[in-house]
Amino acid sequence: EVQLLDSGGDLVQPGGSLRLSCEASGFTFTTYGMTWVRQAPGKGLEWVSSISGSGRYTYYADSVEGRFTISRDNSKNTLYLQMNSLRAEDTAVYFCAKVNRDGYNYDALDYWGQGTLVTVSS
Amino acid sequence: AIRMTQSPSSLSASTGDRVTITCRASQDISNYLAWYQQKPGKVPRLLIHGASTLQSGVPSRFSGTGSGTDFTLTISWLQSEDFATYYCQQYYSYHSFGQGTKLEIK
Repeated sequence: EVQLLDSGGDLVQPGGSLRLSCEASGFTFTTYGMTWVRQAPGKGLEWVSSISGSGRYTYYADSVEGRFTISRDNSKNTLYLQMNSLRAEDTAVYFCAKVNRDGYNYDALDYWGQGTLVTVSS
Repeated sequence: AIRMTQSPSSLSASTGDRVTITCRASQDISNYLAWYQQKPGKVPRLLIHGASTLQSGVPSRFSGTGSGTDFTLTISWLQSEDFATYYCQQYYSYHSFGQGTKLEIK
């Protein structure tokens, strides 16, 4: 059974940093691209960042480019999102998600973590 | 970035109704289009990928059509559990989501 366990969300001051983690199980982690999607309170879904299975290729939304870094440790089956220079508008539930097809860097997202809440406020 | 526009933003319907939600891409995305259902406080659920392929376990009353820039999601016989928010997503170039369509009980 595929499982994705998000963690690391917290209350952080503007300008601060936070690292999110997503532990994966139930599939061959190294062969699937992974993605972070966020959802601000009462708002829609927003793509944040994606990474290839090997970790070699990374992709970012304009809103987070230069501030967030996606990475993965395939030996630990874990995906990360390092978030720096956080702003109030980054406040959201962050979901990690697995792409549907083996070998694809971005694709439909078939499994999602439960989400972790990041609140940026002084 | 590819912009996805859904219509309507909200929709009222009754159980047993047939409803259609549309999604338009700002450029040709071929069939790289997915639909998701999200209920309050829950994780999004993949319904359809490749514009028309039903994800495993999704009831056959859900269907998707379209290619290029214009796409539709149809629910043919609304059930009580279908009242939720629906999102389209393109994955032709990175990812982007539509703003969502909230389907409410009339």
